[in-house]
This record gives sequence, C-alpha cells and structure tokens, in this order.
Amino acid sequence: GAVVSQHPSRVICKSGTSVKIECRSLDFQATTMFWYRQFPKQSLMLMATSNEGSKATYEQGVEKDKFLINHASLTLSTLTVTSAHPEDSSFYICSAKKGGGTYEQYFGPGTRLTVT
Amino acid sequence: KNEVEQSPQNLTAQEGEFITINCSYSVGISALHWLQQHPGGGIVSLFMLSSGKKKHGRLIATINIQEKHSSLHITASHPRDSAVYICAVTGTASKLTFGTGTRLQVTL
Repeated sequence: GAVVSQHPSRVICKSGTSVKIECRSLDFQATTMFWYRQFPKQSLMLMATSNEGSKATYEQGVEKDKFLINHASLTLSTLTVTSAHPEDSSFYICSAKKGGGTYEQYFGPGTRLTVT
Repeated sequence: KNEVEQSPQNLTAQEGEFITINCSYSVGISALHWLQQHPGGGIVSLFMLSSGKKKHGRLIATINIQEKHSSLHITASHPRDSAVYICAVTGTASKLTFGTGTRLQVTL
C-alpha cells in the first residue's frame, strides 16, 4: 500500500508555455502533499505544502504565481509551471502524507521537466 | 552548516562488504527518515524512526536521540544497492529537511 504516482514522468516544453504535473495517491487519502524540486547532484528542496481544499503554503523564494499548486481532492495535487523558462528545467517530486498524525511521507517517482 | 549532515558523500564498496552511512542533525526532530534514490530519480522510503533500531532485510537503521545521530547499515552489500541514500528529518509542520545524500557504488 501507500503508492504515489506522478504524470508525466518526462516532459519537454518550449519556453513560454505552461506545463502541468499531476501527483496522485493511489491507495490512500493524502491530507497533505508536498512538492519538491531537485537540481542535478543536489538534495531535494521543498517548494510548497498543499492541504486538500486550501491554498498551498509556499517556501521562501518560491514564486506562487509561477508554480501554481492545486490540491482539489484527497488523492490528487497538481503543480503547474507557468510561462516556463529554461531555468525551470529540473526534477520535480511530490510526496503525500496520510492523516492521523503520522510523519511518514510517500514519494512519487518524479517528473523531469526540460524547457527548451 | 547544514541542519542535516551526512557522511561520507561518496562511497565505493565491493560486493559483500558491510556499509555504514552516518547522519547527524542539529535541530529538534519528530522523526528521522532514510530514503533511497536510484539513478532514474524515484525515491523509496527505507525507514522512519524516532528511537532505537529498525531492521528490514539486509538494512539496519539506528538512531541516538541524545547524540542527534543516526546510522544506516547495509550488510552483505550487492551491486543493486548502488544508489543515493538520503537522510531526512521531520521538524515543524511535518516538513522534511534533507541531507545532501551519500552516493554508494557497490562493485563486483
């Protein structure tokens, strides 16, 4: 149990376009989902925390108008990179947390975004 | 100084060797996680612990809360164990703070 999927796994888009990444918890309800970004050979960096039905909380330095996060249901959160630029190229990973006070997070397989 | 420090950064071992990866942290935590990231990028949660020791197959994780230190051990290492191992701690608001990772290469 506790499987998290991400779609797409890889995406290439042109500069100026927007791209949406989906994160789904397949067999549990995720009250909280997290979005991370990872540059090559670096550690994960938390971008934002989203709770179902409420606005996402963004980390300092992350532009909320550029990285739109929607957590519309207990099994789905989406990250939309708007007006993408080559510097947005990165590996984006989501994780999901069950309710009930557990600290365990379940990670998605990640999405590699390349902006040309 | 990072809140979560791992050592070594890189580790090469021969198949069958016993491996230890260390993690030290400087903040108060609710839990400590050991994660495994394969070259494709996907992350697997290996352990979550807040005290003592846990074992799963050839993997053992220990934590010493007083010393703010955790270790991940791999017994009888195998090439398929080659990956990046990441230590992360849960602090406030369930946020994870990550170490920089240990890149393990196990050779035949």
